[in-house]
This record gives sequence, C-alpha cells and structure tokens, in this order.
Amino acid sequence: DVKVTQSSRYLVKRTGEKVFLECVQDMDHENMFWYRQDPGLGLRLIYFSYDVKMKEKGDIPEGYSVSREKKERFSLILESASTNQTSMYLCASSFPWAYGYTFGSGTRLTVV
Amino acid sequence: TQLLEQSPQFLSIQEGENLTVYCNSSSVFSSLQWYRQEPGEGPVLLVTVVTGGEVKKLKRLTFQFGDARKDSSLHITAAQPGDTGLYLCAGAAAGTASKLTFGTGTRLQVTL
Repeated sequence: DVKVTQSSRYLVKRTGEKVFLECVQDMDHENMFWYRQDPGLGLRLIYFSYDVKMKEKGDIPEGYSVSREKKERFSLILESASTNQTSMYLCASSFPWAYGYTFGSGTRLTVV
Repeated sequence: TQLLEQSPQFLSIQEGENLTVYCNSSSVFSSLQWYRQEPGEGPVLLVTVVTGGEVKKLKRLTFQFGDARKDSSLHITAAQPGDTGLYLCAGAAAGTASKLTFGTGTRLQVTL
C-alpha cells in the first residue's frame, strides 16, 4: 500500500520552541506539500517542493521553513512556535504530471 | 490567490436523502478534484474532472464541472452513514496539475 507517513499524530509544544514535522513518502513522487487545516479556512498551502533541495513558498509561509534533502522526505520547521500555529498539519505528495494528491494522516500540533 | 467557496458549510441529513454540495470560484481552473476526509485522517481523492461540462459518476456520487470551469458540484443519491465526512474541492490553475487551491469544505453528517 502506497503511503505518506507523518512522524507524529499529536504534538504539544511550548511557545518559542523549534518544532520539526517530518513527512516521508514511498511512491517516488517528485512533488511534496505542506498544508495547515483550520476550521472554516480549509487547507492552506505553507510550502511545496518540486524536487530535492527545491522549495517554493505557498500562501502562508511566514513563521515556517522547510527542508528536502532526500526525495522521499519533506520536513516542516516552525522556527519559534507560537500559539497561532496550533493547527492540523497535512503533508501530501504527487507526481507532477498526474492529478491528485496522496495525503498523510496529519499531525495535530498544539502550542501552549 | 484563487479562492474556492463551498456551500453549504454543514449538512445534516437522514439516510436515504439526496444532497448537493457546491464549489464556486471567480477563477478558471484547468482541473478540479473532490476529496473526502474522515476524522483523524488525511483527505482521500474521490474524482478529478478536467473538461468544462464534464460529468463523472462514482456509484451514488455524481460530480459535475461547470461549462466555464469555474465551479463544480457533488451530488449524492440516497446518502448512507458511510458518506459522513468532510468534502473538499480543490482546483488546479491553468498550466499546472500540481499545485492545488482547496475549498473551505462541507461537513456532511448522515444519520440513521
């Protein structure tokens, strides 16, 4: 079964901490994405990557950075966590020529 | 940023009823996808429509892409409790299949 795996289902972090969210896919997809999901706002794109070491800002990149050192792994970094970053974070991957994303199960992050 | 508005936001119906969910934008999309998300999981792709006026059927679900490729609808016939979930539409801008803009979501509950 093809998969996108997010390292944690639930995380609780303190304000000001540096937080790493990891995502691994086993489908050899070129494209990888990080979204956050908040009630009433839908999914909003934080960052995406079309290839190893490539990254592009999405719609809400402020306060976040990403790393893609290997094709299968895309990491989201919260440089200094704040309470307004409490959210569900979803990682997804896809082929560039194909329709449809495969999503991970999400990481629910709470910043206290 | 392209926006996708979904309506209604919430829908609670009884088993056997029919329903329609709408996805509207002022922007033109090269393709439009529908996803279903269950609690605690990531969204799962249901269908992709790419041609204006296209209609696709998936068992009791009927998807339509507007002629101008700015809107879409999802119709469920004889809803069942297993249809419960969050329905998301997502559009790809012209020239790319890769980067999606997601709608705000419709939360459907089907009760016995």
